[in-house]
Order: sequence, then structure tokens, then C-alpha cells
Amino acid sequence: DTEVTQTPKHLVMGMTNKKSLKCEQHMGHRAMYWYKQKAKKPPELMFVYSYEKLSINESVPSRFSPECPNSSLLNLHLHALQPEDSALYLCASSVGAGRRSEAFFGQGTRLTVV
Amino acid sequence: AQRVTQPEKLLSVFKGAPVELKCNYSYSGSPELFWYVQYSRQRLQLLLRHISRESIKGFTADLNKGETSFHLKKPFAQEEDSAMYYCALASGGSYIPTFGRGTSLIVHP
Repeated sequence: DTEVTQTPKHLVMGMTNKKSLKCEQHMGHRAMYWYKQKAKKPPELMFVYSYEKLSINESVPSRFSPECPNSSLLNLHLHALQPEDSALYLCASSVGAGRRSEAFFGQGTRLTVV
Repeated sequence: AQRVTQPEKLLSVFKGAPVELKCNYSYSGSPELFWYVQYSRQRLQLLLRHISRESIKGFTADLNKGETSFHLKKPFAQEEDSAMYYCALASGGSYIPTFGRGTSLIVHP
């Protein structure tokens, strides 16, 4: 299995809702990432988990809360989002942060905040 | 600080024409450079990495440390090459990819 799987593919949520994005990989990768991608823009790094520990938080607002329950799963919990948070949220994984390897990306969750 | 610059937002060519997508980087150490491609409605995927020195789908890219460039080239563009291309840099220590703004390649029939 050489894929990163993200669910759901699409999500529409209100500003008072609580929802979660999920990401799964079974490649034995020990680094997992959340990126945010706005239309016609490059992916912007949000969080990095290395060996299930949060190693990088790129000054992301607290309404985004990541979680890494085990080495295969990565969640992004969403609460009280704003319309400007609407974007494609990409999960990626690599062998290990600090080790030479490319990142494998999921298809993304397209989030719309209404 | 590391930075990746893709000067062209859009590159439009006809089928069979040569293509060069430019990428310049700034980083003081020894970076690892990649080209990622995002076809319409598909996931972002790796196209090339500089250490592999291989040709994928007819594309090649050579790292020029003197000019700090990693331009992507293909001698004869095909319509199926139409996509968004991102140059990315991963630096020593973390190897977390940082992306350029992307170049949209459109190949006309």
C-alpha cells in the first residue's frame, strides 16, 4: 500500500460546528504532515508530526488541533472555523523528518466553512 | 531561510514544443530539490528528485548549484503534460518540503 488516504473528500461545516479530518498511511512512515492549500496557491505547511510527536506548528490558530493517535493515523480537529479557512487540506507522509525521502500526499479534503 | 522561486505563474505552449519551467532556490546548505505535479482533480505527486538524476515522462531537471537553479525541461510537450508544477526544497535537518508558488503548464493541441 503506497497511498495516503484522507477522509472525507469533501466537508461543509458551519462556523459553530466541530469536525475532524482523518489521514491514514500504511507505508511505515514516521513523519506526517498537514498542509493547507488555497485555490491556485502552493501548499502551506501547518503541522509536522515526527514519531507521533508534534515537532512543528507553523503558528496555526488554535481552532485547528492536530492529533496523532498512532504511527499510521493523523487527525485534524476543527472547531469554530472561519469562512477564510475554506481550503483544500492535504495530508502527507515521509519516511521520517530528518531523513532523505520525498513526501507522499493524500488527495485532500476540500473544506468549505459557511 | 530557505526559499523557492518559480517566476512564471503560467506557461502556455503548443504540443511538440520544448518546455522549460524555471525554479530558483536560496539555501545556504545542501538542499534536496524536487518537482511535484498536480494534474486536474488528482493528488499532488512527485515527478522528479534531483538526487535520482532520472527522466520521468520525458522530463528532466538538473541541479545547478552555481546558479541555484533546478529547472524542469521536456523537449517535446504533450497535451497530457498540462498540470500545475511545483518546485520544492527540503533542507538538511528536517527534509520537510517547502513549495514554490507553482507554474501552470498548458499544452495546446
